[in-house]
Amino acid sequence: DIQMTQSPSSLSAFVGDRVTITCRASQSISSDLNWYQQKPGKAPTFLIYGASNLQYGVPSRFSGSGSGTDFTLTISSLQPEDSATYFCQQSYSTLYSFGQGTKLEIK
Amino acid sequence: EVQLVESGGGLVKPGGSLRLSCAVSGLTFSTYTMNWVRQAPGKGLEWVSSISGSSSYIYYADSVKGRFTISRDNARSSLYLQMNSLRAEDTAVYYCAEGGSYGLENWGQGTLVTVSS
Repeated sequence: DIQMTQSPSSLSAFVGDRVTITCRASQSISSDLNWYQQKPGKAPTFLIYGASNLQYGVPSRFSGSGSGTDFTLTISSLQPEDSATYFCQQSYSTLYSFGQGTKLEIK
Repeated sequence: EVQLVESGGGLVKPGGSLRLSCAVSGLTFSTYTMNWVRQAPGKGLEWVSSISGSSSYIYYADSVKGRFTISRDNARSSLYLQMNSLRAEDTAVYYCAEGGSYGLENWGQGTLVTVSS
């Protein structure tokens, strides 16, 4: 099975900051990497597919990059509504798997 | 507008069974891969199972294989998860989610399953 590891597990940043979250796969997954945002008590929402493709309606301050085993989610200018937990997920294997999540808080 | 609405959660004793349902509207259900994803209280997301549009391809996480069965009724635009031999560690919010290799695009609001004596 493919293991996904995110770092950091949590972070705190100011409004306007540039924030980067990293996701590493235990084996190469090409570009089959997706990102989700989850706010407390809510279902996850889909942000990015194929490592770098923004889902329709997602603000352009979000971006993704990477291929193989190392991926990043970047928020170029942090906004108060970006406070949430972010999860990466691989869809390379038919047995999907998620990273453990990164909790992002606004200072 | 795509809507996914789960139901069937509740309190069940260890070793018991439960059947979850997910009613889907707003898309051509039979053409989409569907999934169950769960989240234990205060924990991360865990993919549970997926089923292709025609039910030809079905996959399970190792943690539920042999105990859970995913199925769908395309005529009713509904997804199901039959959960048997439930354990305390199966306690979670269960989400149904539409999508496959290009990610899980649409999610339901979730239904809580609590396994406790």
